[in-house]
Amino acid sequence: DQQVKQNSPSLSVQEGRISILNCDYTNSMFDYFLWYKKYPAEGPTFLISISSIKDKNEDGRFTVFLNKSAKHLSLHIVPSQPGDSAVYFCAASVTSYDKVIFGPGTSLSVIP
Amino acid sequence: NAGVTQTPKFQVLKTGQSMTLQCAQDMNHNSMYWYRQDPGMGLRLIYYSASEGTTDKGEVPNGYNVSRLNKREFSLRLESAAPSQTSVYFCASSEVANQPQHFGDGTRLSIL
Repeated sequence: DQQVKQNSPSLSVQEGRISILNCDYTNSMFDYFLWYKKYPAEGPTFLISISSIKDKNEDGRFTVFLNKSAKHLSLHIVPSQPGDSAVYFCAASVTSYDKVIFGPGTSLSVIP
Repeated sequence: NAGVTQTPKFQVLKTGQSMTLQCAQDMNHNSMYWYRQDPGMGLRLIYYSASEGTTDKGEVPNGYNVSRLNKREFSLRLESAAPSQTSVYFCASSEVANQPQHFGDGTRLSIL
């Protein structure tokens, strides 16, 4: 049973508009969440993270929102650019443990 | 900056053959990880090493062994390759466990 779910395998957005990528988790012990971006034939690269003591973290065009009661987080990209086209992985961990659990990924296409 | 280096980048094996995937990082990170990526499954943790001298099983350790040779190097060995091990393998490292990870570009392994 997947502990981290990304229910949209793909998403298509017009350049300049907002991209919203969603992630749900089942383990209430998770207290640290990360987003990674992956281009084809490359390894994932870290994008942004959020601790469970916050409900929002912003870094330039990227904002992550955390709703602990709903066990849901989302990544907002504003404005979307063609270079943002990639697979985005949501990941979660329990600070006291050593492992990070990844979701299956959402493929974002930003159309010029 | 080399970051995380994986060798080889591509490999084709026959069922039953053995091989070792190499990984080295030059960031003086304490923690290192091996993942496999399969379509629709995201990144699944095979083994990890929270610090030099320690290794632990992840989600999918069966059929694999690891060696943390020193602080820089973490190798993954397939003793008797099976077609189910056809995948893309990623090595990653982080300063300490649960911090954002830096990934290599992957090893694409096909087992016939």
